[in-house]
Amino acid sequence: GQQVMQIPQYQHVQEGEDFTTYCNSSTTLSNIQWYKQRPGGHPVFLIQLVKSGEVKKQKRLTFQFGEAKKNSSLHITATQTTDVGTYFCAGDFGNEKLTFGTGTRLTIIP
Amino acid sequence: SAVISQKPSRDICQRGTSLTIQCQVDSQVTMMFWYRQQPGQSLTLIATANQGSEATYESGFVIDKFPISRPNLTFSTLTVSNMSPEDSSIYLCSVEGRRYAEAFFGQGTRLTVV
Repeated sequence: GQQVMQIPQYQHVQEGEDFTTYCNSSTTLSNIQWYKQRPGGHPVFLIQLVKSGEVKKQKRLTFQFGEAKKNSSLHITATQTTDVGTYFCAGDFGNEKLTFGTGTRLTIIP
Repeated sequence: SAVISQKPSRDICQRGTSLTIQCQVDSQVTMMFWYRQQPGQSLTLIATANQGSEATYESGFVIDKFPISRPNLTFSTLTVSNMSPEDSSIYLCSVEGRRYAEAFFGQGTRLTVV
């Protein structure tokens, strides 16, 4: 079946350090979306990537979509305590539903 | 963006009973989605609910266990039937945004079965 894997599962970083999470799909994606879920909260949409090789930035967050549209990454520069949460990628295989990745839980050491 | 009201926010239920979760959206939407999120895990799609037709269930989920209603374009319910402790989880409803087809989620229902 269609699967979306993320690594690492957990990441602990010192405040101010950078953070990256990687997402890999078993097959080519129509598009990929990224979500953030704060502890005790629900997932919140961050961004959508559609084009092969696309790069988008939101302040300290940089999102990339691979050339083959099978992988993606989220990079956070100079993490802050407000970045704490679990980051999920979600793949759209063109079948009108999202397949969520396994998630990366980010904790920040002040 | 869509505003989704989901209730109850949490419940503790006895095994063998059923719980119905409600989801109300502030605008008309074609599809509504129901997810399960077990503690510390990712989101797993249970079913897609279209108004006027039967819900489409994902592999591993069946209508007898998770009956869904979709009486109009702004409302849906998910029932967790004949509950066991393995059903303890967070259940989330979701709708699709118009701009990016992104998912907007309700606040979730934290279910504990004892």
